[in-house]
Amino acid sequence: ETGVTQTPRHLVMGMTNKKSLKCEQHLGHNAMYWYKQSAKKPLELMFVYSLEERVENNSVPSRFSPECPNSSHLFLHLHTLQPEDSALYLCASSQDLASGSTDTQYFGPGTRLTVL
Amino acid sequence: GDSVTQMEGPVTLSEEAFLTINCTYTATGYPSLFWYVQYPGEGLQLLLKATKADDKGSNKGFEATYRKETTSFHLEKGSVQVSDSAVYFCALSDHSGGYQKVTFGTGTKLQVIP
Repeated sequence: ETGVTQTPRHLVMGMTNKKSLKCEQHLGHNAMYWYKQSAKKPLELMFVYSLEERVENNSVPSRFSPECPNSSHLFLHLHTLQPEDSALYLCASSQDLASGSTDTQYFGPGTRLTVL
Repeated sequence: GDSVTQMEGPVTLSEEAFLTINCTYTATGYPSLFWYVQYPGEGLQLLLKATKADDKGSNKGFEATYRKETTSFHLEKGSVQVSDSAVYFCALSDHSGGYQKVTFGTGTKLQVIP
């Protein structure tokens, strides 16, 4: 059991819709991540939140807007998406230690997004 | 920047065959290395990891050794089962800017036939 849940599991939306993806982690971690997984491409890191502050924004278009209200929840707000944004969106969490040592990222099952 | 290269798939094997999935990396410093597995319809799960040179990670019959001299972390299993059919991702992590930054390979799909 990963301890990371994502809703919805599947989402179909038009280009003019506004929707949100939700991620919740039950592991007591202090860092959360959004990744985009497209066919035949490496996982793309989109956003990172550490201690509820955004520490990485990997040149992601503004039509994707993350929100981290607390250390257990992470949202990805979507608006005016394009068909090429269709992909599997994965959330992950980890415990980042002040000492700088690394730890494992735990992934949710993902949201399969289709933009028509 | 950091990068991970792994063999393209799909790899198709008969049950009980020997598995090797090659992975090489480029990185500055001394990253930790991981293999993740993704079963159909699911997210990624950690399979094994190694945090320093010559470490061997192992889990569920899979193993990989951190080879600094060849910058490799090849995944092996002596006898695969149908239930091992999945996509396998090699990855490295670097602690940068106060968080764990993970670089993934493109994934190798494994199909095991009875």
